[in-house]
Amino acid sequence: QKEVEQDPGPLSVPEGAIVSLNCTYSNSAFQYFMWYRQYSRKGPELLMYTYSSGNKEDGRFTAQVDKSSKYISLFIRDSQPSDSATYLCALTLSNSGYALNFGKGTSLLVTP
Amino acid sequence: DGGITQSPKYLFRKEGQNVTLSCEQNLNHDAMYWYRQDPGQGLRLIYYSQIVNDFQKGDIAEGYSVSREKKESFPLTVTSAQKNPTAFYLCATRRLGENEQFFGPGTRLTVL
Repeated sequence: QKEVEQDPGPLSVPEGAIVSLNCTYSNSAFQYFMWYRQYSRKGPELLMYTYSSGNKEDGRFTAQVDKSSKYISLFIRDSQPSDSATYLCALTLSNSGYALNFGKGTSLLVTP
Repeated sequence: DGGITQSPKYLFRKEGQNVTLSCEQNLNHDAMYWYRQDPGQGLRLIYYSQIVNDFQKGDIAEGYSVSREKKESFPLTVTSAQKNPTAFYLCATRRLGENEQFFGPGTRLTVL
């Protein structure tokens, strides 16, 4: 079983919709959780970082972590065509040099 | 202008040749990482370094080598021993005491 599972999509939504992106993980030792956005042929851009169970909000983005279920989510409110990209979840822990363990990424398309 | 630079953006190599990818940063970050991304795959860790003159192997280090002679620079050499080197290579950095990683724009390597 891969350590981090993420549905690759593609996920297509109309502009203005609420988007829910999810990852599950198997190693309960993971301590830190990140979401990246990656446009085609570009480097990933850090969107959200969190380390505790619960919600963290930043503008239209909300990151949610449930450590008991080993489940993390990213919600995008009022989605825009410019949000069309691949979204990567990344998890890490301190005893691995904070190297990131990635899901495969979910491709999102927001249509006008 | 602060940031992470990777060069070249595109690189073509003949089979049997070694090639070196550059990663430079002026963020004064201590740790640097190399990841590889293949289509439909998440990023996978090749090597990382948390301090000058020290580095650790990642999950897929075979066929690669690195050096860390300066804090600002972490070049990656793809050797002829790497069986399938065509991929998108991403460099990332992290400040000591923090957990977030920030990525450069990437180098796309194609073996002809």
